[in-house]
Amino acid sequence: DVKVTQSSRYLVKRTGEKVFLECVQDMDHENMFWYRQDPGLGLRLIYFSYDVKMKEKGDIPEGYSVSREKKERFSLILESASTNQTSMYLCASRARDREVGEQYFGPGTRLTVT
Amino acid sequence: GDSVTQMEGPVTLSEEAFLTINCTYTATGYPSLFWYVQYPGEGLQLLLKATKADDKGSNKGFEATYRKETTSFHLEKGSVQVSDSAVYFCALSEYTGFQKLVFGTGTRLLVSP
Repeated sequence: DVKVTQSSRYLVKRTGEKVFLECVQDMDHENMFWYRQDPGLGLRLIYFSYDVKMKEKGDIPEGYSVSREKKERFSLILESASTNQTSMYLCASRARDREVGEQYFGPGTRLTVT
Repeated sequence: GDSVTQMEGPVTLSEEAFLTINCTYTATGYPSLFWYVQYPGEGLQLLLKATKADDKGSNKGFEATYRKETTSFHLEKGSVQVSDSAVYFCALSEYTGFQKLVFGTGTRLLVSP
């Protein structure tokens, strides 16, 4: 069974802290994604990686960076967390040769910045 | 850019009622269309898809037809169950240097016994 796991289900951080959100997939997928999910806004793409060490900005990359040192792991980094980054963060992965919609999602990390 | 508009929820139904969740889109090209479902405490799962006009996607009793003339992809189910309670997202594929998904805002469905 395919699996995307995220390091934490719930996280509380203080303003200005550096925050790492980790995502691991066990399907040998080339493509990995980070989204944030907010009420009334749906899912918005933050960053996308199509291979190890490769990344592309999504629709809302400001305030975030990413790291992909190994194929199975994709990290989202908040360099200096702010309260407007309080949100649900979802990671997803997809095989390169599959339809764009065939993404597998993790359960999400609900981040609260105080 | 491309966009997806979904009806606002929550949609509240009794078990065995007929379900429709409306979804319309604007796109410059010819996108593929998708419905995802998010059960409480879980990530999104692909429910069904359609890749061209007049295609019908179906899964688990849910159906949606790609209507190019009305730019719509409404989700329907003939008889909902309590276990269908979830948030449903309509999405389309967009190419902006790379293929990505554009999501609607989601519609919460609540089914009571």
